[in-house]
Amino acid sequence: DTGVSQDPRHKITKRGQNVTFRCDPISEHNRLYWYRQTLGQGPEFLTYFQNEAQLEKSRLLSDRFSAERPKGSFSTLEIQRTEQGDSAMYLCASSLGSRPIGGYTFGSGTRLTVV
Amino acid sequence: LAKTTQPISMDSYEGQEVNITCSHNNIATNDYITWYQQFPSQGPRFIIQGYKTKVTNEVASLFIPADRKSSTLSLPRVSLSDTAVYYCLVGDKRDDKIIFGKGTRLHILP
Repeated sequence: DTGVSQDPRHKITKRGQNVTFRCDPISEHNRLYWYRQTLGQGPEFLTYFQNEAQLEKSRLLSDRFSAERPKGSFSTLEIQRTEQGDSAMYLCASSLGSRPIGGYTFGSGTRLTVV
Repeated sequence: LAKTTQPISMDSYEGQEVNITCSHNNIATNDYITWYQQFPSQGPRFIIQGYKTKVTNEVASLFIPADRKSSTLSLPRVSLSDTAVYYCLVGDKRDDKIIFGKGTRLHILP
């Protein structure tokens, strides 16, 4: 297992377009998290899944954002009608259980630039 | 979730020992202290976790005094590759998510 994979690594899109990011967690991890990080700030929690169920969404996650984890494996994060303020690094993490010894395993992120 | 306070930035030199202190005055009985490291253009990476006294692994040591209102991450003999942002997090193992602060930007100079 090569860890948490995110695709694409970089995405440039025009304002108003829709974008979708993919995250492949570590295969045996039942929890999957999405975070957003802007320059100079720590990662901000967006949402998390336990298996296929989305159990919590941050109020940062506006109606333009939707996340899915069909079959409890990979996850997608879609942003509709992108705005310049959506420009950020989107990080995915996975874990076995809620607060495992060894912490969460993060991917390298998808950097979104909205022009 | 307990609030943490850590220095915004620190500079040190190669070969030195670096200590980053985190304050968490409102830490709860069931809370653990966890540190993550983040390099540019990468996701955070778990470094170390502890509850009390001292924890050591191959990367760092974590010192926690008896009152647990602070903790110190100690990096022995740093190199240029230790330049990164270090996050101190406090929370219960039953928490459903982890919350990051702004972290400490550590810059190692040659």
